[in-house]
Amino acid sequence: DIVMTQSPEYLAVSLGERATIKCRSSQNVLYSSNNYDYLAWYQQKPGQSPKLLIYWASTRESGVPERFSGSGSGTDFTLTISSLQAEDVAVYFCHQYYSFPFTFGPGTTVDIK
Amino acid sequence: EVQLVQSGPEMKKPGESLIISCQGFGYTFSRYWIAWVRQKPGKGLEWMGIIYPGDSDTRYNPSFRGQVTISAGTSINTAYLRWSSLKASDTAIYYCARAEWEVVHPYYFDHWGQGTLVTVSS
Repeated sequence: DIVMTQSPEYLAVSLGERATIKCRSSQNVLYSSNNYDYLAWYQQKPGQSPKLLIYWASTRESGVPERFSGSGSGTDFTLTISSLQAEDVAVYFCHQYYSFPFTFGPGTTVDIK
Repeated sequence: EVQLVQSGPEMKKPGESLIISCQGFGYTFSRYWIAWVRQKPGKGLEWMGIIYPGDSDTRYNPSFRGQVTISAGTSINTAYLRWSSLKASDTAIYYCARAEWEVVHPYYFDHWGQGTLVTVSS
């Protein structure tokens, strides 16, 4: 199984400041035949279902604010919130869909400082 | 508008059986994979398995194989998750999610159900 790790576990950032979350996979999730990284990011607010933010490591889902961006390739990935808003308080999960069983990172809680 | 609507909360005793459901609206149900994801209280997300309703191709997480059964009925656009004998450790919220895909491989989950809380307690 591909093991996903995230850091930090908890992150408190002032409103308007940058939040950076790291995700690492235990194996490469870059598919060489199409050069796509099989990595997604989800946001889960308290009491809600997860919501897709980013797929193919850096493609923003329709309707997701531009302050959310994804980067990285291979085994190391980053989700950046460029200017944290109050509504961004949530848990963020990375997810690899490169191989079965699909796996998720343990989550990073983002809060307001 | 794509929607996945899950069945309501369940309270069961250990050893009982259970089926929960996930009905899709606003898209061709048979043409998208549906995954099931477990979330224990205060914990992370665990991928349980996935089914392609069009031909019932099903893949399980080895951690859940034999513990649950995933199925789907295309005539009523519904996917199911079934337990034959529940344990207290099955207490969790269960989400269904639609997967984008290409060829025969599912990808990321672009729409999620609202979740079904299953509580197993004597």
